Amino acid sequence: KNEVEQSPQNLTAQEGEFITINCSYSVGISALHWLQQHPGGGIVSLFMLSSGKKKHGRLIATINIQEKHSSLHITASHPRDSAVYICAATTGNQFYFGTGTSLTVIP
Amino acid sequence: KAGVTQTPRYLIKTRGQQVTLSCSPISGHRSVSWYQQTPGQGLQFLFEYFSETQRNKGNFPGRFSGRQFSNSRSEMNVSTLELGDSALYLCASSLGFGQPQHFGDGTRLSIL
Repeated sequence: KNEVEQSPQNLTAQEGEFITINCSYSVGISALHWLQQHPGGGIVSLFMLSSGKKKHGRLIATINIQEKHSSLHITASHPRDSAVYICAATTGNQFYFGTGTSLTVIP
Repeated sequence: KAGVTQTPRYLIKTRGQQVTLSCSPISGHRSVSWYQQTPGQGLQFLFEYFSETQRNKGNFPGRFSGRQFSNSRSEMNVSTLELGDSALYLCASSLGFGQPQHFGDGTRLSIL
């Protein structure tokens, strides 16, 4: 069993739609990260969360520590949001990664 | 501020050889972590160095090793290469383990 599970694996949306990507983890974490990877490989760290909610532009990340669950929301999606979104849980000494959600936003 | 720089960008090796990859972190970042990304296994944590000491290690065989220099630059070495070592190797720097990671563009290693 993977320590971090993401859903859905693939997601296609129309421009302007509200998008949610889910992440569940089974380990005790010190923080939960959301990463974005564009074609070609470059990875950008979007959020690091240990509780509550964070917002950056059209992106919102939430975490429920009791339920061991985090969500990444994208409001008013745009084709430039097309990328792979990866959830990562960090414990005191390990990083565990989800398998990623491939998002395609169609104009 | 310059980002994380990894060299080389691409490498082709044959089975049994060894390889060394290099990573220059963002100035002021003392933590450097290495990751392997493959289509089958996704992203996996290799190890983390901080102030020239390996502090954390993932579940990889001893053929994978690394070091960090006094200027925080880091190298990763893989010995006795296997076909399964073909992957994108990513380096990331940060202020500390578990902190937001700043990734380099990676080194794509192909084993023939």
